[in-house]
Amino acid sequence: ETGVTQSPTHLIKTRGQQVTLRCSSQSGHNTVSWYQQALGQGPQFIFQYYREEENGRGNFPPRFSGLQFPNYSSELNVNALELDDSALYLCASSLDGLLEEEQYFGPGTRLTVT
Amino acid sequence: SQQGEEDPQALSIQEGENATMNCSYKTSINNLQWYRQNSGRGLVHLILIRSNEREKHSGRLRVTLDTSKKSSSLLITASRAADTASYFCATGNILTGGGNKLTFGTGTQLKVEL
Repeated sequence: ETGVTQSPTHLIKTRGQQVTLRCSSQSGHNTVSWYQQALGQGPQFIFQYYREEENGRGNFPPRFSGLQFPNYSSELNVNALELDDSALYLCASSLDGLLEEEQYFGPGTRLTVT
Repeated sequence: SQQGEEDPQALSIQEGENATMNCSYKTSINNLQWYRQNSGRGLVHLILIRSNEREKHSGRLRVTLDTSKKSSSLLITASRAADTASYFCATGNILTGGGNKLTFGTGTQLKVEL
């Protein structure tokens, strides 16, 4: 157990809908990153938040957005869902967002878009 | 996009044998990390090796890094059935916004049979 929790565990949505995924970071961690993992692939970086500000983004369209709250929990929002958005979404927290810090991953939310 | 490839894609061995997985990457790195993932759930950090290090040990794990060949290997000695999982290498890089991200390979599925 890493102390990072995610909700919900599983989710089924319809193409075109919007979804919000939630992550609760490990206590004391002020950096959170989100990753998308398609079936049979490695995780791909979506974005990172440090002290409520986005400080890095991967190659994902603007319909992928996020928030980090004062208690360092965070949300991933995806608008206008597409079938290819079906994946495991992982969040990871780290203490101060330094490059060599260990990132602690949550168990993930499996999103299915039909 | 994935940073690199892992080889082999799948590996099946008997308990007690050693397992070796290889990872190649494309760009310069600050560090390389290995993660383990059970049954498509969260990732667990195993070991980090810096770009100026050549070898690192942690328990039954041995990691090597050859920056001239842009490759790394993970050796698990005296494997156990509980080692059955997917193993990913990930390179750490700093983002222009000040954050950092992990870029994962495609993973090796290891099965350790009794």
